[in-house]
Amino acid sequence: DQQVKQNSPSLSVQEGRISILNCDYTNSMFDYFLWYKKYPAEGPTFLISISSIKDKNEDGRFTVFLNKSAKHLSLHIVPSQPGDSAVYFCAASAQSNDYKLSFGAGTTVTVRA
Amino acid sequence: NAGVTQTPKFQVLKTGQSMTLQCAQDMNHNSMYWYRQDPGMGLRLIYYSASEGTTDKGEVPNGYNVSRLNKREFSLRLESAAPSQTSVYFCASSDWYGYTFGSGTRLTVV
Repeated sequence: DQQVKQNSPSLSVQEGRISILNCDYTNSMFDYFLWYKKYPAEGPTFLISISSIKDKNEDGRFTVFLNKSAKHLSLHIVPSQPGDSAVYFCAASAQSNDYKLSFGAGTTVTVRA
Repeated sequence: NAGVTQTPKFQVLKTGQSMTLQCAQDMNHNSMYWYRQDPGMGLRLIYYSASEGTTDKGEVPNGYNVSRLNKREFSLRLESAAPSQTSVYFCASSDWYGYTFGSGTRLTVV
């Protein structure tokens, strides 16, 4: 039973526009959330994270929003660039859990020129 | 700047064969992990090692064994490969939630 769900397998967006990726979780014990980015034939790389004590974290073009009451987080990419075309994984962990992460199924983002 | 190194990158096995996937990290991280990635399933934790000398099961450990040989190395063994173990395997290391992943091993069991 997946505790982290990404219900949109794919997203296509025009270059320069906003990309919004969504993620839902079921485990109320999760207190740290991350987004990873993956290119083909490479391992995932860390992109941005947020603690449960915050509702927003921003890093350049990337912003993550957390809505704990809805058990929902989202990743905004503004503006989208061709190099952003990749698979994005949402991940979550509970405190004192040996930093173990539970991952969603991923969303493939395609940025069109 | 090697980070996490996995070998081999590709492997084809026949059902029932055994093999060991190797993983080494040079970042002095305490924790190491093995995940598998399957279409529509994301990354699922097979085994992890929170520190040298300890290993624990993850979400999908059946059919696998692991060895934390030292702080740098964490191997994953398939004793009798099955077609259901066809997947891409990723090793990762960390000292916090920001994992560093290897580039993966694509395993096909026929």
